[in-house]
Amino acid sequence: ILNVEQSPQSLHVQEGDSTNFTCSFPSSNFYALHWYRWETAKSPEALFVMTLNGDEKKKGRISATLNTKEGYSYLYIKGSQPEDSATYLCARIRSGSARQLTFGSGTQLTVLP
Amino acid sequence: DTEVTQTPKHLVMGMTNKKSLKCEQHMGHRAMYWYKQKAKKPPELMFVYSYEKLSINESVPSRFSPECPNSSLLNLHLHALQPEDSALYLCASSHLAGGGPYQETQYFGPGTRLLVL
Repeated sequence: ILNVEQSPQSLHVQEGDSTNFTCSFPSSNFYALHWYRWETAKSPEALFVMTLNGDEKKKGRISATLNTKEGYSYLYIKGSQPEDSATYLCARIRSGSARQLTFGSGTQLTVLP
Repeated sequence: DTEVTQTPKHLVMGMTNKKSLKCEQHMGHRAMYWYKQKAKKPPELMFVYSYEKLSINESVPSRFSPECPNSSLLNLHLHALQPEDSALYLCASSHLAGGGPYQETQYFGPGTRLLVL
């Protein structure tokens, strides 16, 4: 993996379903991974900043895990609701002394009522 | 208040125009950023300011000129843009954390959608 990759590109689920998607990144020189939620016409909203291998973070029905050795992070949404419909972006920090985020292309989630 | 505001929301300009985008935050953050997002692509970093000084320029063409007049305000001056510069321009800010810059959460504004004719 040379860059940040997210899969799937888009996802449709029924209300009440649980879902998850993947962010893959280079495992070498890892510093931090950021997750954002971006609703159309709104500001990207920060969800998590993950730095340690094995990190698990939770915010309401949304949780994320991090595996820095193999270079992936999962985002889980339990019991999806229509208001969860958004694009979920992950971003990798390029170096420990800087603030440059490299974003993936995002997973567009649509929750159908 | 965790809000970053950006004005204008939309901007249409000709290739010979000069215009400016404005970004403001009142969270006391001392790092501010400009990103550019083309349709169907991820946001790409353009500039980073730390303590009102330009710390990172991602090889952005000189027709984009950033300015940070004070700790709350970030401008992006635009001059002689090309149609391919049409994009969503996002501003963000972060608190300069003692634990390391890579742990700082960046707070984004809603963006300015720019169309260059």
